[in-house]
Amino acid sequence: DQQVKQNSPSLSVQEGRISILNCDYTNSMFDYFLWYKKYPAEGPTFLISISSIKDKNEDGRFTVFLNKSAKHLSLHIVPSQPGDSAVYFCAASAAGGTSYGKLTFGQGTILTVHP
Amino acid sequence: DAGVIQSPRHEVTEMGQEVTLRCKPISGHNSLFWYRQTMMRGLELLIYFNNNVPIDDSGMPEDRFSAKMPNASFSTLKIQPSEPRDSAVYFCASSGTAFNEKLFFGSGTQLSVL
Repeated sequence: DQQVKQNSPSLSVQEGRISILNCDYTNSMFDYFLWYKKYPAEGPTFLISISSIKDKNEDGRFTVFLNKSAKHLSLHIVPSQPGDSAVYFCAASAAGGTSYGKLTFGQGTILTVHP
Repeated sequence: DAGVIQSPRHEVTEMGQEVTLRCKPISGHNSLFWYRQTMMRGLELLIYFNNNVPIDDSGMPEDRFSAKMPNASFSTLKIQPSEPRDSAVYFCASSGTAFNEKLFFGSGTQLSVL
């Protein structure tokens, strides 16, 4: 059962435009959400996170939006740059017990930014 | 800081052989995680440790898989015997506290079982 889903395997955008990556989750116990970026032959690196008590978090060109009622979050990159080309993973965790620190990842979305 | 260090970077072995993957977490981190990435299942958590103690191994696929953390600076993931379906990229990650979900990942071990 895929509790975190990224339904778009890939996304292609032009440099300077906005990139929007989407993620849906099914587990209502999830209360913390993260985005990771992964380049080939490297491990994922943390990009941005959001707690369920917020609906938006911004860090430079990156903004994450959370819609709890729809169990949906999105990552906006503005403006997109060729160096942003990578695989983006959405991840979620649930508080309490042995769940602390246990992240459930989506399948990933390959973002390609064309010059 | 050197980050999370994994070895080997690549491992090619034959079915039935024992495989040992190694991980050195970031100094001072007290949580360590082993993840596996496949095309079919994406990134899935196999096991994680807090203060060297296994907390959740529900993701370990079979008894052929075992993990240890003998001290705060070293962990191993062993597969015995290995099978072709174990072929994947195995990532180790560490974090500062059990409440900090910001994981720092190693570069991974690409395992190919022939």
